[in-house]
Amino acid sequence: GNSVTQMEGPVTLSEEAFLTINCTYTATGYPSLFWYVQYPGEGLQLLLKATKADDKGSNKGFEATYRKETTSFHLEKGSVQVSDSAVYFCALSGTSYGKLTFGQGTILTVHP
Amino acid sequence: GAVVSQHPSRVICKSGTSVKIECRSLDFQATTMFWYRQFPKKSLMLMATSNEGSKATYEQGVEKDKFLINHASLTLSTLTVTSAHPEDSSFYICSARGRGKGADTQYFGPGTRLTVL
Repeated sequence: GNSVTQMEGPVTLSEEAFLTINCTYTATGYPSLFWYVQYPGEGLQLLLKATKADDKGSNKGFEATYRKETTSFHLEKGSVQVSDSAVYFCALSGTSYGKLTFGQGTILTVHP
Repeated sequence: GAVVSQHPSRVICKSGTSVKIECRSLDFQATTMFWYRQFPKKSLMLMATSNEGSKATYEQGVEKDKFLINHASLTLSTLTVTSAHPEDSSFYICSARGRGKGADTQYFGPGTRLTVL
């Protein structure tokens, strides 16, 4: 079956530091890949997505590239802000009604 | 675009009562809606998938008689927690998926915090 593995958290950074959150996946076929962000007490917001190999998703300074050869979709940001503090979920969508398979989530805390 | 709302955002009820949570897609037609449950500091657990006009498909271990799901229109799905007990207390999140371009993307509601006393 499909699975998503994210790097263990929590991740604590100082403002303006470089961020990488690793995500690898196992899936049959050609899934779409997503990063969602969840702020405290809220639902999930789509951060970015990529639908085929070598696609790069980007939004709000965050980027992730769909790497089929390494089955990875690592999230990066060059300079984090305190407002980026949240939980980040990597996910993939297979073909069954678009069901999502989530990673376990990574808590990011950014200090001033 | 692609906004999903949930109502209520918080609900507190007594043990044994039933609670209904609504999930609406505000600016698109949702052919499929999903209901998740999230425990503190945990990932989302898919409870069920519902397609408009048909019965929901429940994930293994989810009691269909306890968590009633109705997807009566292309913009509304409801989750009813029947005879709620304290162990049903949780954060319930819905998501919706449209059709055509972007149909591979789920858009999430803001969640409903259920507390059963």
